[in-house]
Order: sequence, then C-alpha cells, then structure tokens
Amino acid sequence: QVQLVQSGAEVKKPGASVKVSCKSSGYTFSNYGFTWVRQAPGQGLEWMGWISAYTGHANYAQKFQGRVSMATDTSTSTVYMELRTLRSDDTAVYYCARVMSVSGVNWFDPWGQGTLVTVSS
Amino acid sequence: DIQMTQSPSSLSASVGDRLTITCRASQSINNNLNWYQQKPGKAPNLLIYSVSNLQSEVPLRFSGSGSGTDFTLTISSLQAEDFATYYCQQTYNTPPTFGQGTKVEIK
Repeated sequence: QVQLVQSGAEVKKPGASVKVSCKSSGYTFSNYGFTWVRQAPGQGLEWMGWISAYTGHANYAQKFQGRVSMATDTSTSTVYMELRTLRSDDTAVYYCARVMSVSGVNWFDPWGQGTLVTVSS
Repeated sequence: DIQMTQSPSSLSASVGDRLTITCRASQSINNNLNWYQQKPGKAPNLLIYSVSNLQSEVPLRFSGSGSGTDFTLTISSLQAEDFATYYCQQTYNTPPTFGQGTKVEIK
C-alpha cells in the first residue's frame, strides 16, 4: 500500500543541522510532489515547503528560507529535509506528506509517521 | 498569507451527537479546502479534500460543505474513535495554511 516511512528521532544541539528522510513505497515516486510540515509540542501545523520529485524544484516557506533544503533521490524513492542552524524553538515533530493534485486543488496524503527533533544544549 | 480561523477551538460532545466545525478563510479560496483529523501522537490523516470529497475509507458520517470563505465539517453521529483534533487547510495560495485546530473531547 502507499506509505511514507520517516527516519528516527534526533537530538541536536543549538546551531547544529538535522537531516530527516522520508522513504515512500507503493506508487510511482516521480509522479508526485512532497511536502514537509512541522508541529511544535502542543501546537498546530506549520508548512515548511515542498519539492517536486519529477523536477527536483523546491519551494520553501519564507520563514525557513536560507535554513532549509529539500531533496529527492529517485533511485530510492526518498525525500530529504535538512534544517540548519537549529534553535530551541525548532523542537517539533516533522512530517513528510505526498502532495496530491487534481484539477488545480492540492492536498496532503498520505503522511509519514513523524520524526521528533529535539534541540537542546 | 491566507489566515484560516476555525471555531470552536475546542468542544465537549457525547457519542451520538451531531457536530459541526467551521473554518473561515481571510479571502476567497474557491474549493481549495481540505480537512484533516489528528489523534494524539499520530500524524494528521486526510478526511476530506476539495471541500466535500470524502477520502477513501473515511466513514460516511463525515461530510464537508461550503464555498468562498466559509466552510464546515460535519460529523453526523459522533463515535468514540472520532475524538481527536481537526484541522482545515487551504491550498489556494502558497504557503498552504492550516486552521489552529478544533479539539473534540468526550463530555
């Protein structure tokens, strides 16, 4: 079945970088785009950006411009998100999701299980 | 950015209740409105896309409606497994934005 499996939890120090992976299966990877959404403890959902697995072109939320990079590896059907210069307020669960698009309407489905990134000195 | 405002932010309800959650966009978003359900410790799960289209395997007690700036999610008869947080999302403009969530708790 269609699923996204993310890498495990990370603990990082302020100023470090983290790279989270998201491996997909069950469909043709390069036909879709992927997105990353994060959720701080007890908070709502915050969109970080998205990337086309077909073109490799990414579009990032202004808030994360210069600190985030997204990439795809079509040979392994994996999407990556790297966040640099981590701060304590980057502590959150990071989710990947596939972007579905029909007739100009987009939605996110399915989602990965989430990766907890803890930033602490 | 388009602001999405859900109401209420939380509510208490009983099994069997009919529930309506509203979502208002700060500008017209046509039919680019989706709903997600999130249970504690789990990833969000798509319920409804493009205002009123039920995702595969989502029970028929869930329905969505609306247009322009005002949208609703209705649960016709609340079941025990429906106690969760619900988020609306617009994808009309980039960045896609979410409502703040509506937490549905057991009365």
